[in-house]
Amino acid sequence: AQRVTQPEKLLSVFKGAPVELKCNYSYSGSPELFWYVQYSRQRLQLLLRHISRESIKGFTADLNKGETSFHLKKPFAQEEDSAMYYCALRDSSYKLIFGSGTRLLVRP
Amino acid sequence: DTGVSQDPRHKITKRGQNVTFRCDPISEHNRLYWYRQTLGQGPEFLTYFQNEAQLEKSRLLSDRFSAERPKGSFSTLEIQRTEQGDSAMYLCASSPKRRHTDTQYFGPGTRLTVL
Repeated sequence: AQRVTQPEKLLSVFKGAPVELKCNYSYSGSPELFWYVQYSRQRLQLLLRHISRESIKGFTADLNKGETSFHLKKPFAQEEDSAMYYCALRDSSYKLIFGSGTRLLVRP
Repeated sequence: DTGVSQDPRHKITKRGQNVTFRCDPISEHNRLYWYRQTLGQGPEFLTYFQNEAQLEKSRLLSDRFSAERPKGSFSTLEIQRTEQGDSAMYLCASSPKRRHTDTQYFGPGTRLTVL
């Protein structure tokens, strides 16, 4: 079955600390993975996608097919990074399958 | 604002009533998706249109739910005989038909409360 798992509901770090938001997936084909972010009172928006292999707002994510993971990382967290983060997998029919999300709280 | 828009933003209804939500996608986006999000969960796929054709429906979409996209532009999602379990945020997203750049852009959602 296709599934995305985000094991942490809440991740709290101090400003300047490294951040790693975990995401594991289950998919039989070749997955396309995404991270979406939702800031307070804003709509869900794309943060990054594995196919682009880019860094957005200092965040990176590497697809590890052996461990079926797509963890989101940032070396130095900023207070403005506080938000809800969702990992998602796109299947062959283009729909997104989301994890349950992780709330990142960056404290001053 | 040229993003995805949804109307209404909030809807409170009594159990048993019918409700209809509207989604206006980004202009020229030919794919349109509906998702539902309940508290503490990520969005769950409901249905998907390519132009006016409804190509996939989730098992979450019971017989009480129907979605249309009559002219391949805006879409409506109707829930008949609402139940308390229908209370959720209903999200609409649209994307262009270009495989490696078909990012889904989300609307602000319609929050449904069934009393």
